[in-house]
Amino acid sequence: GQQLNQSPQSMFIQEGEDVSMNCTSSSIFNTWLWYKQEPGEGPVLLIALYKAGELTSNGRLTAQFGITRKDSFLNISASIPSDVGIYFCAGGTSYGKLTFGQGTILTVHP
Amino acid sequence: EAGVAQSPRYKIIEKRQSVAFWCNPISGHATLYWYQQILGQGPKLLIQFQNNGVVDDSQLPKDRFSAERLKGVDSTLKIQPAKLEDSAVYLCASSLVPGAANYGYTFGSGTRLTVV
Repeated sequence: GQQLNQSPQSMFIQEGEDVSMNCTSSSIFNTWLWYKQEPGEGPVLLIALYKAGELTSNGRLTAQFGITRKDSFLNISASIPSDVGIYFCAGGTSYGKLTFGQGTILTVHP
Repeated sequence: EAGVAQSPRYKIIEKRQSVAFWCNPISGHATLYWYQQILGQGPKLLIQFQNNGVVDDSQLPKDRFSAERLKGVDSTLKIQPAKLEDSAVYLCASSLVPGAANYGYTFGSGTRLTVV
């Protein structure tokens, strides 16, 4: 089946630093999405990407859909303590199914 | 708008017992999904409904898991009998139409199941 490889598995950074994480797949996806999950909650959508090569920003977050449609990255600039959580990439099909990566655990030290 | 509602929030059962989870999607959302999230992993799709019909249940362990959405609104997911490896968070999500999933459908807070 389809698998997404997300890296790094975890990150420990100081407040104010920039963060970069990425996701690769052996399969092509129509859509790439990035979610954030906090303890006891479901994933919340951060950014959705629909076209190969697309670069999209949402505040301090920037994500890109790879040209080959098999990868994506997420950058967070000037991290703050509330950025703490688990970040998931997900590849989407036209029928709605999402395949998730294993997640990147982000810890931000004040 | 109200979000996706799930209950219970937590459940602890012994192996071989039965358990059921309930989901109420966002009003008007025709597509409903159940995902299983094992600790330390990303969510995995179990079943997708379009109204009250099943679109995809290819990853549902049908020997013990069942799900229904009889009136095209609420849904229940049942496990009978439960195994230790079923311990996970069960997430429900909904979207207006299947393609709208590409816009990132809305997840509920999940039910955390512990099988002992």
